[in-house]
Amino acid sequence: AQSVTQLDSHVSVSEGTPVLLRCNYSSSYSPSLFWYVQHPNKGLQLLLKYTSAATLVKGINGFEAEFKKSETSFHLTKPSAHMSDAAEYFCVVSDRPFAGDKIIFGKGTRLHILP
Amino acid sequence: SAVISQKPSRDICQRGTSLTIQCQVDSQVTMMFWYRQQPGQSLTLIATANQGSEATYESGFVIDKFPISRPNLTFSTLTVSNMSPEDSSIYLCSVLAVPYNEQFFGPGTRLTVL
Repeated sequence: AQSVTQLDSHVSVSEGTPVLLRCNYSSSYSPSLFWYVQHPNKGLQLLLKYTSAATLVKGINGFEAEFKKSETSFHLTKPSAHMSDAAEYFCVVSDRPFAGDKIIFGKGTRLHILP
Repeated sequence: SAVISQKPSRDICQRGTSLTIQCQVDSQVTMMFWYRQQPGQSLTLIATANQGSEATYESGFVIDKFPISRPNLTFSTLTVSNMSPEDSSIYLCSVLAVPYNEQFFGPGTRLTVL
């Protein structure tokens, strides 16, 4: 069975500084991993996904994440935060999404951007 | 990408009543899901809507409370029955689109129960 842990419920960074949102996972297979963003009163948007190709995944809006099997981590990073990045971020894992395995959401990390 | 619409986008309901939420996808998909997002919380899977058969419910969710229909490959409904204030949440429809190797989410239905 798979699980996902987002290590921080809140992260605050100053505008223009790097962002790091941490995610650890547990999986019985080679998992698929995703990061979604949810802006206030908006729908969920996929930032990026890892599905067993390149371990460094680039997403939209300058975000990227690195799959590290040895550390069972899939941390989300961005070199320079922008005010528009303030949102809730969800790390998501699925063992075999197209074989009917469930897709499991982490509890979320709220990113605050300080001016 | 798969485009998903939900109706209604929001509603305010009285305790004890029921609300049916509709989910329409712009392409045929095999796997459709319903999630609940309680205030300030993450998403919790309610059930997988199966076309032509009963939905598969997750632990803590039952068919009598959350009946689901899936008459075809592009449409599903979720009913929240005999509502109480604890049912106040955002309900999201989601599909797994094989060509895109990605899960897409609808805009959600914001339900408030008084």
